[in-house]
Amino acid sequence: KNEVEQSPQNLTAQEGEFITINCSYSVGISALHWLQQHPGGGIVSLFMLSSGKKKHGRLIATINIQEKHSSLHITASHPRDSAVYICAAPNTGNQFYFGTGTSLTVIP
Amino acid sequence: GAVVSQHPSWVICKSGTSVKIECRSLDFQATTMFWYRQFPKQSLMLMATSNEGSKATYEQGVEKDKFLINHASLTLSTLTVTSAHPEDSSFYICSVSQATYGYTFGSGTRLTVV
Repeated sequence: KNEVEQSPQNLTAQEGEFITINCSYSVGISALHWLQQHPGGGIVSLFMLSSGKKKHGRLIATINIQEKHSSLHITASHPRDSAVYICAAPNTGNQFYFGTGTSLTVIP
Repeated sequence: GAVVSQHPSWVICKSGTSVKIECRSLDFQATTMFWYRQFPKQSLMLMATSNEGSKATYEQGVEKDKFLINHASLTLSTLTVTSAHPEDSSFYICSVSQATYGYTFGSGTRLTVV
C-alpha cells in the first residue's frame, strides 16, 4: 500500500465544472503539499497546508489532519487547468512520499 | 519567491555516452538539493539527496557510480548519467527546500537515450 493515495487517477471535465481531487495518506505529517505538473513536465508547488483551508484564485485546498485526508478543488475549470495534480507528504528526512497523480483534462 | 533553474529541459544522447544535468538555485543558497526520476505514468521517485561540500546520499537501488552527483557550490548541483542506456530514458527533476520559500522544483529534464 502506498503511503499516499490519490483519486481519481484520471478526470475529464467540461469547461466551467467544479473539480475535486482527493488525497489520503497513512503517514504522520506536519503538512501536505499539492503540486501541479504541466504536460511538458515542469512542476509547480500550489499549496502547502497543515490545517484547514487555503485558497489561491480558483484553487482551494483543504486538509483534515485527524482523518488524514486532503482535497484540491478547482472552481470554474478551464482548459489551461489541464495537468497532472500530485499530492505529496514530506517524511522526516525532508523528502516526499508522492501520490501517483491525477491527470485532469478540461474540455472547452 | 525561490527560483530553481534546471538545464537542459530535454536531451537526446547515444547509448554509452554521458549526460550532465544542472540544477541551479537562482536567488537563494541551497545546502541540500534533491534529485528525482519519473518514468511515464508513474510517480516521482527520489534518487538522491545532494549535499553541498559532501557526498550525496543515494536511495536504495540507485547506482552511485552511474548517477554522479556533484554539489560544489551553494547554488549548483549537477547530476551526470554515465554510460547511458535506453532504460535510463526518463524525466529527471530537482527540488530544493528553503526555509522561507518551502519546496521549489526545477522544470525537469527529459532524457532520451537512443
